[in-house]
Amino acid sequence: DGGITQSPKYLFRKEGQNVTLSCEQNLNHDAMYWYRQDPGQGLRLIYYSQIVNDFQKGDIAEGYSVSREKKESFPLTVTSAQKNPTAFYLCASRMAGNSYNEQFFGPGTRLTVL
Amino acid sequence: GESVGLHLPTLSVQEGDNSIINCAYSNSASDYFIWYKQESGKGPQFIIDIRSNMDKRQGQRVTVLLNKTVKHLSLQIAATQPGDSAVYFCAEKVPNTGFQKLVFGTGTRLLVSP
Repeated sequence: DGGITQSPKYLFRKEGQNVTLSCEQNLNHDAMYWYRQDPGQGLRLIYYSQIVNDFQKGDIAEGYSVSREKKESFPLTVTSAQKNPTAFYLCASRMAGNSYNEQFFGPGTRLTVL
Repeated sequence: GESVGLHLPTLSVQEGDNSIINCAYSNSASDYFIWYKQESGKGPQFIIDIRSNMDKRQGQRVTVLLNKTVKHLSLQIAATQPGDSAVYFCAEKVPNTGFQKLVFGTGTRLLVSP
């Protein structure tokens, strides 16, 4: 089955710890995205990548870092510098080269800071 | 500024009714819109999209209407079923960003009673 997988589904972190969220896709998509979802708010863009070895900050990149060493993988690290990391994190991907196609989303990772 | 909003946070309907979910967008230059469905604890699922050169687009049991004059988008679901219960939100593609940047609404919860 083609799709986007995210792991883990639930993640608990102590304050001061860095954690890494996994996102893998086998859709052969060039572009990948990370969003954060908080109750009562729309999805907000953290980072995006349009091609391997390249990524750009989104609207709320502070306290986060990413890498794009492989086309199918776009891991997100939530660092201790992120002041309010508890949220639902969503990864998405889409075929690049056309601005008018949808982003496909993974199942999400719920991060809770204890 | 860029914003995508919804008028009704919760919509309750009876099974078999038609549902209409509304969305207002702010950027008159936006040229691509997407509706997503999100079930509790899951990632968003693509429902239907529409480009700004169209006023209406139909899918299976769903229709999206775009009124560019008043910057309004709606999703119509025919013969609503209990499985349609979810949060629905629209997304607007921000023009001239060099990549596909989407701005997401906060969502409307659709509750379908048997």
